[in-house]
Formats: sequence, C-alpha cells, structure tokens
Amino acid sequence: DAKTTQPPSMDCAEGRAANLPCNHSTISGNEYVYWYRQIHSQGPQYIIHGLKNNETNEMASLIITEDRKSSTLILPHATLRDTAVYYCIVRAQTAEGNKLVFGAGTILRVKS
Amino acid sequence: NAGVMQNPRHLVRRRGQEARLRCSPMKGHSHVYWYRQLPEEGLKFMVYLQKENIIDESGMPKERFSAEFPKEGPSILRIQQVVRGDSAAYFCASSPGGNSPLHFGNGTRLTVT
Repeated sequence: DAKTTQPPSMDCAEGRAANLPCNHSTISGNEYVYWYRQIHSQGPQYIIHGLKNNETNEMASLIITEDRKSSTLILPHATLRDTAVYYCIVRAQTAEGNKLVFGAGTILRVKS
Repeated sequence: NAGVMQNPRHLVRRRGQEARLRCSPMKGHSHVYWYRQLPEEGLKFMVYLQKENIIDESGMPKERFSAEFPKEGPSILRIQQVVRGDSAAYFCASSPGGNSPLHFGNGTRLTVT
C-alpha cells in the first residue's frame, strides 16, 4: 500500500473549518483514500473515503487532487468533540478486501 | 444495526495465564480484522480473517497468539501465557469486503499483572 504523509499536529478554532492535508504521492490507480479518527482511546471511527472524485457526507468532505497525489479532509464547522487523531490511509483493493495500515496521523486540537 | 461488539471491555490476567478476546462483527460482515495498540503508540495490524479462513496474519507474533473466526459465533483472539508486554488495547474491525470501509469496535483493554 502507498505511504501517506500528514502533519503531526494542527490547531483549529471552534466553529471554523478544519482542513487536514495528506500527501500520498506514490498512490496507485486501484488505491482508495480513507480517513479515520480516534478520539482518546476509543476505537477508530470511519469518516469518509474516495477514489478520485470529491466526496461529502454528514461528517466531512474529502477533496482529492486531480493527480491523486494529495487530499484534504474538511470538517466544515469544528467542535471541541472533533479533537482527535486523524488518519489518512491509502488501501489497495482486492476482490476480497484488504487491511488498513495506520500511520502516526495528525493530532487535531479544536480550541474554544 | 448494532456495531462491532467486543468483550470483555477490560480484562486483567496474571503472567502465564491465557487471555481470550471476543469480537462479534456487524450483521452481514464476513471479514474480521484484529489490531493492537500499545500504550502511547499507534494501531498495528495483527490478522485478517474471513469465515473459517486466515487471509493475512503478517502482523501476528509467531508464538502464543492465535485467531479464529468460526462458521458460527464470534471471532476469538487468543493469547497464551501472557506477559506484561501484552498489556494493550486490542481492537477488532469488520467489513463486508471489497472497498467497503472497516468498522471498529471499542476494544478490549488487556492488563497483565
């Protein structure tokens, strides 16, 4: 699976948009980009995933560059409860499925 | 639809005992993954199973650890003769396969005394 690079930490003001970048310059054509977060010591929570088109759901938006070498997760109105470690993961697809390989992620601190 | 269920939430074992961690996947999910998170460290993949088959065990320690996902019942991660270094949070995830996302349980926290 391709490797990803994320900043170790970011701060965001409550109510503002949080934009979390991820670099995946060696991504292959069949690899999807997934975002998860882990709040304190809970289980990782799935946020969103995409292949090449931008995606949006009730939690966030995912913007993938045209060359697919980087992406940005956008939390439109961050709250204190969004403070967590955010993981950007690229995952190769097989007909059966494949594991996720977690890196160090980005610690997002939302401040009032 | 209930999420991934793991039990027990907390497990305390003395050195040398066995630990059994259970994971019930989400309804309709036939793929199960186990991860370990040591204190203050990241999530490390251990093993990936489908019903009755181990697909990828590249992250499993060679000794004392085993996993199964029988035709009926939950997936079990078994640790024999536990040592203090096994103290960690163990997370299970499930998916229906393909490019569907994995959904995680809230983990079992194992403490070895």
